[in-house]
Amino acid sequence: ELKVEQNPLFLSMQEGKNYTIYCNYSTTSDRLYWYRQDPGKSLESLFVLLSNGAVKQEGRLMASLDTKARLSTLHITAAVHDLSATYFCAVDGTGNTGNQFYFGTGTSLTVIP
Amino acid sequence: GAGVSQSPRYKVAKRGQDVALRCDPISGHVSLFWYQQALGQGPEFLTYFQNEAQLDKSGLPSDRFFAERPEGSVSTLKIQRTQQEDSAVYLCASSLVGGNTEAFFGQGTRLTVV
Repeated sequence: ELKVEQNPLFLSMQEGKNYTIYCNYSTTSDRLYWYRQDPGKSLESLFVLLSNGAVKQEGRLMASLDTKARLSTLHITAAVHDLSATYFCAVDGTGNTGNQFYFGTGTSLTVIP
Repeated sequence: GAGVSQSPRYKVAKRGQDVALRCDPISGHVSLFWYQQALGQGPEFLTYFQNEAQLDKSGLPSDRFFAERPEGSVSTLKIQRTQQEDSAVYLCASSLVGGNTEAFFGQGTRLTVV
């Protein structure tokens, strides 16, 4: 079974600081997704990474994928309070239909004013 | 509709009761997924449909869980004889095709078994 590990699990950071969340996975996959979840809400898609070396940026968030290292990172630049949420990475299963996402346990981010 | 819609949002069931959870995917989306999210955990895959065909049900935890999508649109997840360990948020997601495209999630149904 494909395993997905995120670290850190909990992150408390001050506004204006930079930090990186790491997502490691255990088997070959070329498709990785980042989601955001606010308390009591559903998952909001942030990034879709479909190939080795893919890098995508949206506002203060930047995601990258290294399929050789089986590693994705979510970098936060100059954090603001609105970024407080839980962030999940999800790896697409290696089946031909790519029909199953394996989620990490999430990183709970709190940005302190 | 504009997004994936799930109902009910909250469900309290007595142990042993049967429940049915509904998912309305985004119109035109071929793929539909069900996930179970326990408190403080990431979602875990339950089952997958492509149109009306259930192609993968490997994540269903027991034969008490049953899902259907008879006309390739609305899906229902049924849990028979609910147990306390079934308490979780059940998330539905849909996408245009199975792989290489992002999945859009509904707001979930929070099931509490008492």
